[in-house]
Amino acid sequence: DAGVIQSPRHEVTEMGQEVTLRCKPISGHNSLFWYRQTMMRGLELLIYFNNNVPIDDSGMPEDRFSAKMPNASFSTLKIQPSEPRDSAVYFCASSIDRVSTEAFFGQGTRLTVV
Amino acid sequence: GENVEQHPSTLSVQEGDSAVIKCTYSDSASNYFPWYKQELGKRPQLIIDIRSNVGEKKDQRIAVTLNKTAKHFSLHITETQPEDSAVYFCAATEGGGADGLTFGKGTHLIIQP
Repeated sequence: DAGVIQSPRHEVTEMGQEVTLRCKPISGHNSLFWYRQTMMRGLELLIYFNNNVPIDDSGMPEDRFSAKMPNASFSTLKIQPSEPRDSAVYFCASSIDRVSTEAFFGQGTRLTVV
Repeated sequence: GENVEQHPSTLSVQEGDSAVIKCTYSDSASNYFPWYKQELGKRPQLIIDIRSNVGEKKDQRIAVTLNKTAKHFSLHITETQPEDSAVYFCAATEGGGADGLTFGKGTHLIIQP
């Protein structure tokens, strides 16, 4: 398995534009997480899904952020409209189920909003 | 919700010496405590974890200890090597890896040659 796959790896966009980040979890994994990493705030959990259903979105910073998981092999994180303070590395991670322990991270998407 | 505090933020040790990183957590319901290593520009990767039913776990040069009463857990790295240089994150969650992890702010470990 290629692991968790995220795209794009880098995204530069202008303030006000819509940004969509994509994630393909490891096949067979039932849980998917979106994290944001910044120097100031560290690694923050934004939202996670179990069996494609959002379980906890309390970490989503504002209504400008939304996430979907239409099927077991694909998820998106959308920011609309984007702002400079959204600049960060966004990681997607997946794990097998509630019994398994390890969350596997993707390579991340480095987002820069100018 | 859970709150995880991690110290120190930067740790510099001589090659061959030991390094200790400490974390505290707030939610007594948390029962799973992993440690992740992140090299510059790379993804976080699990290096060791511990569940609340044990007090210590060891894997070669790394070990983790847990004190549930004090809500405190630590990472110990012995005989440090240059490749140990990285940022280390502790985390806590109720349940296994399928519940969202709350991370500490990270410790930048520097191994001096």
